Formats: sequence, structure tokens, C-alpha cells
Amino acid sequence: DTAVSQTPKYLVTQMGNDKSIKCEQNLGHDTMYWYKQDSKKFLKIMFSYNNKELIINETVPNRFSPKSPDKAHLNLHINSLELGDSAVYFCASSPYSGAGELFFGEGSRLTVL
Amino acid sequence: TQLLEQSPQFLSIQEGENLTVYCNSSSVFSSLQWYRQEPGEGPVLLVTVVTGGEVKKLKRLTFQFGDARKDSSLHITAAQPGDTGLYLCAGAGGYQKVTFGTGTKLQVIP
Repeated sequence: DTAVSQTPKYLVTQMGNDKSIKCEQNLGHDTMYWYKQDSKKFLKIMFSYNNKELIINETVPNRFSPKSPDKAHLNLHINSLELGDSAVYFCASSPYSGAGELFFGEGSRLTVL
Repeated sequence: TQLLEQSPQFLSIQEGENLTVYCNSSSVFSSLQWYRQEPGEGPVLLVTVVTGGEVKKLKRLTFQFGDARKDSSLHITAAQPGDTGLYLCAGAGGYQKVTFGTGTKLQVIP
């Protein structure tokens, strides 16, 4: 059983389109995150949710909208995609508040043409 | 803004050699983690250090947390090709925020 699963794994789309990435965790964790990893492999935090409540919104354009229907799911919707949005997006979950022990999904590689 | 600088950025060594990766910050963290990431996969947690001066060993890997809880090091003894990957340190701060370091790409040549 995959602990943190993301779909889709690959996404290729045109500029201006809207796309969503879904994430589910079956670990029973309260906290979930979205991170963006750029071409230099730097992982930058975007959002975190604790039990469906937004905790961190890290200076991300409002074209990005996370949604957490329940504590096991955190989805990411992106409007009006731009070339600079091309990256690998990682979902992660954590069992403890502030402990920093993250469990990552396999990533979703987004390519904007 | 909390920044974690890792050095070196790239490291290519022969099998059997020892190496040390450093993770430095001007910020204090409540805990610090090390992760390893392989191509096409998400980072995988290796260790958490919490107490200043703490040393943890995981087989051939030794992790140390600085006394002031601002820096850490990862030492690998007798590196093997299976150690190849991207090593990331991460610091946990307030509001459940986990900040990642700049990464060290390690290649161990057989």
C-alpha cells in the first residue's frame, strides 16, 4: 500500500490551461504539505494544512489554490498555467505538529509548454 | 526567512572513501532532519536530531546536530554506490514549517 499517493505522476499542458493534482495519505497523519522542486532540485514549501485547516501559505501566487476536503486528502489546483510553473510538485504528510518528519509522495512532474 | 545552506553542492567520490556533508543556517531549529532522494522519487527520511550536540548513527552514516541547533553534518564512512543520491537537510520551525536545504548531490563511483 502506498502511504502518500499523488496523481497524476506526469502532466503536460499548454500555457493558460487549468490543472489539478490530487494527493491522498493513508497514514492517519494530521498535517499535509505541498512542495515545489525546481530544476536545481531546491524544495520550496508552498502550503501546509493541519486537519483541513490552512496553516502555511508561503507567498504563492493566488493562481494556486489548495483544497483539503478531509485530513487524508490535499489537492492542488492551478489556474492559468505559466511556463515558470513547470516543476515537480511533491505532496507530503507529517504525524506530528512541527516535528519535521515528512513522508513524501512520488511527485507530479508538471510541464507547461 | 530561514535558509539552510548545504556544502558541498556536488560530490563525486570513489567507492570506499569517506565524506562529510554540511548543513548551515543562521536560524535555530527545534529539530533537524536528513533525507535522501533518488531520481523520480520523493525524499525519504533518514534521521531526526533534536538535542544540541546530538549524534546519531545509522549503519555507515553519522549525523550530528550543532550545539546551538543551527547546523548539522552527515558523515558517510566507506561510501558505496547505493549511497548515490541527493541528500537534503531540513529544519523544523514554528507553525509546522519545514524548510529544506539547498541539497548535496552525491555520486559514488564503483
